[in-house]
Amino acid sequence: SQQGEEDPQALSIQEGENATMNCSYKTSINNLQWYRQNSGRGLVHLILIRSNEREKHSGRLRVTLDTSKKSSSLLITASRAADTASYFCATETGGGNKLTFGTGTQLKVEL
Amino acid sequence: EAGVVQSPRYKIIEKKQPVAFWCNPISGHNTLYWYLQNLGQGPELLIRYENEEAVDDSQLPKDRFSAERLKGVDSTLKIQPAELGDSAVYLCASSLGMNTGELFFGEGSRLTVL
Repeated sequence: SQQGEEDPQALSIQEGENATMNCSYKTSINNLQWYRQNSGRGLVHLILIRSNEREKHSGRLRVTLDTSKKSSSLLITASRAADTASYFCATETGGGNKLTFGTGTQLKVEL
Repeated sequence: EAGVVQSPRYKIIEKKQPVAFWCNPISGHNTLYWYLQNLGQGPELLIRYENEEAVDDSQLPKDRFSAERLKGVDSTLKIQPAELGDSAVYLCASSLGMNTGELFFGEGSRLTVL
């Protein structure tokens, strides 16, 4: 079963624009992570935000977390064609390192 | 440093045939995961190992799927017999251990069952 749901399912923007993806989840979490997956490849970790954090930055990435609304957003600023990929949120719940992934957002950045 | 290595990358088999996937995690990573990813979906956990112990296999269809992680390093995931609905990408991932956050994924093994 998938804990998270990303919104939108697909997003198409022009290079240089910002891309925002949202993730909603159902149960309390320890942390929330975002991963990127290029077509036909494995997933690559982008950023982790803990349940007691509200915002985190890494390069052109900005992640926010609202535990009261059980939601997170990923902002990619000044997007590039190379950012074209699927983006997944994943929530860690309970004890241990069990991650449950969402359904993903397909981002296409056009030149 | 080598990443997570999976083989084969692609496998095409007839239904009812057996198939096996192999994974070599990053050296020193105690936790190993097998995920299944259907087209257009996120990965779904099949089994998680802490060293050689399977600590979460609740989503593994045990009637036809089996996995092992001998000596707490390499792991093998087997399907016998394969069904049409097993066509998917099988992803292996590893992490340093529990509560360490980031997972490192291999490139996946794409299975097509005809």
